[in-house]
Amino acid sequence: RKEVEQDPGPFNVPEGATVAFNCTYSNSASQSFFWYRQDCRKEPKLLMSVYSSGNEDGRFTAQLNRASQYISLLIRDSKLSDSATYLCVVNTPTSGTYKYIFGTGTRLKVLA
Amino acid sequence: GAGVSQSPSNKVTEKGKDVELRCDPISGHTALYWYRQRLGQGLEFLIYFQGNSAPDKSGLPSDRFSAERTGESVSTLTIQRTQQEDSAVYLCASSLPGVAGGELFFGEGSRLTVL
Repeated sequence: RKEVEQDPGPFNVPEGATVAFNCTYSNSASQSFFWYRQDCRKEPKLLMSVYSSGNEDGRFTAQLNRASQYISLLIRDSKLSDSATYLCVVNTPTSGTYKYIFGTGTRLKVLA
Repeated sequence: GAGVSQSPSNKVTEKGKDVELRCDPISGHTALYWYRQRLGQGLEFLIYFQGNSAPDKSGLPSDRFSAERTGESVSTLTIQRTQQEDSAVYLCASSLPGVAGGELFFGEGSRLTVL
């Protein structure tokens, strides 16, 4: 089983739609969680951290369910510029330090 | 600039040659990671350096791959006797020391093509 699993998509949605991505992780000792965004042929960049209480940044809402080892990202009112690959990232303790493990990403295409 | 710097940005080599990729992390970032990303695929962890601790090499795919880092500065990833399946973008990232929750900052990557 992969440490971090995501549906690869693609998710094709019209502008203005709401879309949700899910991610599961296997290591219950994982400490922190993130969503990164990667545009085509570019490096990943942090979109938002994910907190246990859930957090919102504008049109983006992230949720964490530790019991189910599940992370989600909700995008409301999708824009063309939201088209990208969204990477679920888990920070997991290993040998006294922490390692960032990436999911394979979920591709989103927002259509005009 | 103040970001993570990688070189070369593009490298084309012949099968069987050795290549060396360089990463210059953000000053003060003691954690440094190398990832590989094949075309259309996700990020594959290769190696992790944290300060002066022994590196986590668990992701290196074969003994043709090695990486070094001196202290908290530049790191080099070396691929010996390159094969066509080594073609990928090699991404370097750095973060603040030992923080569970710190942001990873990526360089723009080194795109390797093995002919």
